[in-house]
Amino acid sequence: QKEVEQDPGPLSVPEGAIVSLNCTYSNSAFQYFMWYRQYSRKGPELLMYTYSSGNKEDGRFTAQVDKSSKYISLFIRDSQPSDSATYLCAMSARETSGSRLTFGEGTQLTVNP
Amino acid sequence: DAGVTQSPTHLIKTRGQHVTLRCSPISGHKSVSWYQQVLGQGPQFIFQYYEKEERGRGNFPDRFSARQFPNYSSELNVNALLLGDSALYLCASSLGPGRETQYFGPGTRLLVL
Repeated sequence: QKEVEQDPGPLSVPEGAIVSLNCTYSNSAFQYFMWYRQYSRKGPELLMYTYSSGNKEDGRFTAQVDKSSKYISLFIRDSQPSDSATYLCAMSARETSGSRLTFGEGTQLTVNP
Repeated sequence: DAGVTQSPTHLIKTRGQHVTLRCSPISGHKSVSWYQQVLGQGPQFIFQYYEKEERGRGNFPDRFSARQFPNYSSELNVNALLLGDSALYLCASSLGPGRETQYFGPGTRLLVL
């Protein structure tokens, strides 16, 4: 079983829709949760960073973490064609010696004009 | 400010050859991590270095090695290349251990024939 599970999609929505992306995880030591956006053939770009449980909002993006359910979400409001990309969830545990990110396999999103 | 830079951008090698990939972190960042991303998958952690010391190692064979230089740049070396080593190799930089936010470079796309 993978430590982080993410539905690979693909997900196709019309412009202006609200998009919901989700990941589940099994390692209860994870405390730091991130969402990255990756355009085709590019490196991942950090979108959102959350520590422990709760919500965080940044413009059209909202990240939610529910540690009790081991479930994280990213919501995109008023989606735009430029949001078309692969969205990767990532998480890490606090380690005194270093930190490694564990990723989901990514959800491919297409926003149609 | 310059982000994480990687070289080369693309590389074609044949089985059995050796490859060296290079990474320069964001100015002020002292930690570099390497990830392998196979097409259609999320990145997999290979190494993390901080202050020239290895701080973490993922589940990769000994053919993979890395080092970090006094200026915090880093090299990833892969010996005896296999077809399965074909992937996007990503470098990420962060301030240091315990500072979980990692910023990725554009990656080096390696094709092994």
